[in-house]
Amino acid sequence: GQNIDQPTEMTATEGAIVQINCTYQTSGFNGLFWYQQHAGEAPTFLSYNVLDGLEEKGRFSSFLSRSKGYSYLLLKELQMKDSASYLCAVMDSNYQLIWGAGTKLIIKP
Amino acid sequence: IAGITQAPTSQILAAGRRMTLRCTQDMRHNAMYWYRQDLGLGLRLIHYSNTAGTTGKGEVPDGYSVSRANTDDFPLTLASAVPSQTSVYFCASSDGTSGDNEQFFGPGTRLTVL
Repeated sequence: GQNIDQPTEMTATEGAIVQINCTYQTSGFNGLFWYQQHAGEAPTFLSYNVLDGLEEKGRFSSFLSRSKGYSYLLLKELQMKDSASYLCAVMDSNYQLIWGAGTKLIIKP
Repeated sequence: IAGITQAPTSQILAAGRRMTLRCTQDMRHNAMYWYRQDLGLGLRLIHYSNTAGTTGKGEVPDGYSVSRANTDDFPLTLASAVPSQTSVYFCASSDGTSGDNEQFFGPGTRLTVL
């Protein structure tokens, strides 16, 4: 079966750094996405990785290791507005997205 | 219209009733998707359409139907609603179906079936 695992909830302090991990087992791989979802709102795109390595985009970076079935999202200089759920999704061999349940990130002052 | 719109925003529905959730995009995207999101679970694909005139079944299609008569609209119909269909429904679209095409989401419809 296909499976995406990520922690249910994490807590971090404003101004700090947090790493959200995602492991996956899917039938085929055509890229991994990270989305941000604020409570009561729609998911919005953060990053896409298809090759191994780190992609940096401002305060957010995403890493992929295809051989390990592993990715992480790194958030630096945390701000209160970063409090949200972070969704990991893998595009499988049918080009359909398989979604993790999301990691709820709580930022404390 | 900018992006994707969904209607209604929320709805309370009696079991057994028929309901159509509407989704319209103005980005001329080829592909459109319907997901449901339930607490503790990831987004689950109900139906999708890679291009106007074609549709396909996702992970959880039972009890739902879709049509794609044109590029912009992708309605989702519940023929006879049941309480297990209580969920938040998101419509999404993407320019293409290959790996690097991000999906853009509508604001969602919160549906309660009693």
